[in-house]
Amino acid sequence: AQTVTQSQPEMSVQEAETVTLSCTYDTSESDYYLFWYKQPPSRQMILVIRQEAYKQQNATENRFSVNFQKAAKSFSLKISDSQLGDAAMYFCAYRRINTNAGKSTFGDGTTLTVKP
Amino acid sequence: EAGVAQSPRYKIIEKRQSVAFWCNPISGHATLYWYQQILGQGPKLLIQFQNNGVVDDSQLPKDRFSAERLKGVDSTLKIQPAKLEDSAVYLCASSLTGGGMDYGYTFGSGTRLTVV
Repeated sequence: AQTVTQSQPEMSVQEAETVTLSCTYDTSESDYYLFWYKQPPSRQMILVIRQEAYKQQNATENRFSVNFQKAAKSFSLKISDSQLGDAAMYFCAYRRINTNAGKSTFGDGTTLTVKP
Repeated sequence: EAGVAQSPRYKIIEKRQSVAFWCNPISGHATLYWYQQILGQGPKLLIQFQNNGVVDDSQLPKDRFSAERLKGVDSTLKIQPAKLEDSAVYLCASSLTGGGMDYGYTFGSGTRLTVV
């Protein structure tokens, strides 16, 4: 079974600085998707960024970028120019490429605090 | 587009009582998921529907949990009888996949269940 590990339960960053959240996963598959989701205190989880495993280029969405190391099974999220609104719980998720639109497996999250 | 709708937002019940949660996914999203999120943990899949058929319910405690998705649209998750350990946030998500692409989940706001 696939597992996703987020080794940092809590992280903090100063406003306008850069922070990196770590994620590792375990799989025997060669093709899959990886995601980072953000869950603010209001609780609705939203998709931040996605990465297809067959793409070598790291995904980027504005201030959010990933460092995808397929051989190491590592998928970290970098937040640049951190803003107060980035404070939330961040979940890393893995999903097999599957014609049946299979489930995502989530890590246990990293709580990010942004200090003004 | 309208998001994933869930109700109620909060529910407090006594143990051994029953409770039901409702979810309306994004129009056109064939896949619907129910996740359980215990405080401090990542979401764990309870059940996945593709249209109105069950794809994965391997982690659903079937002695007390049941779910249905009528006509491939709305879904209801029921717990009967509830236990203290069922206290959690119940998240509904829907997904649009196809043509080999995966766009991630769109989540509802969740239902926070407290069993006393």
